[in-house]
Amino acid sequence: AQRVTQPEKLLSVFKGAPVELKCNYSYSGSPELFWYVQYSRQRLQLLLRHISRESIKGFTADLNKGETSFHLKKPFAQEEDSAMYYCALSLNQAGTALIFGKGTTLSVSS
Amino acid sequence: GAGVSQSPRYKVAKRGQDVALRCDPISGHVSLFWYQQALGQGPEFLTYFQNEAQLDKSGLPSDRFFAERPEGSVSTLKIQRTQQEDSAVYLCASSLVRSWLRAKDEKLFFGSGTQLSVL
Repeated sequence: AQRVTQPEKLLSVFKGAPVELKCNYSYSGSPELFWYVQYSRQRLQLLLRHISRESIKGFTADLNKGETSFHLKKPFAQEEDSAMYYCALSLNQAGTALIFGKGTTLSVSS
Repeated sequence: GAGVSQSPRYKVAKRGQDVALRCDPISGHVSLFWYQQALGQGPEFLTYFQNEAQLDKSGLPSDRFFAERPEGSVSTLKIQRTQQEDSAVYLCASSLVRSWLRAKDEKLFFGSGTQLSVL
């Protein structure tokens, strides 16, 4: 069955510390994976997609097909990174069916 | 425009009551999606429209849930005879193109959601 797993409900780090938000997926097809972020009182928005291979706000994510993972990383966390992060998997090439993980709350304190 | 607009922002319903949730997508957006997000969970897909055509309703949890987009713009999600398990945030999202994933730099735009509480 298709599934996205985010094992950590909450991740607390200090400002300047490295961050890694874990995401594992289960999917028999060719995966299209995303990270979405929701800041306090804001809408859910796309952070990055694996196919773009880009870095947004210092975050990167590498697709590891062998480990079926798509972990989100940032070398030095900032307080403004505090938010809810969702990993998502598209079940088709059009993007018309996304499944989301349960989300991880990232809390960055000074 | 201001983005995807959803109303009402909050809705409290008594069990058994019918509710209607509205979504105004960004003008000109072809694709429209509804998601249900229960407390502590990620969004779960409900249904998808391409213009006025409902192409996928596989995520609707029961026949009490009905969605429409008659003119290919505004969409309404209707829940009949609400139950406590229907309590959730209902998110609407839209994209400009049919297959946003294939189009470079395209993405989904989400609304703020409607928080439904069934008592």
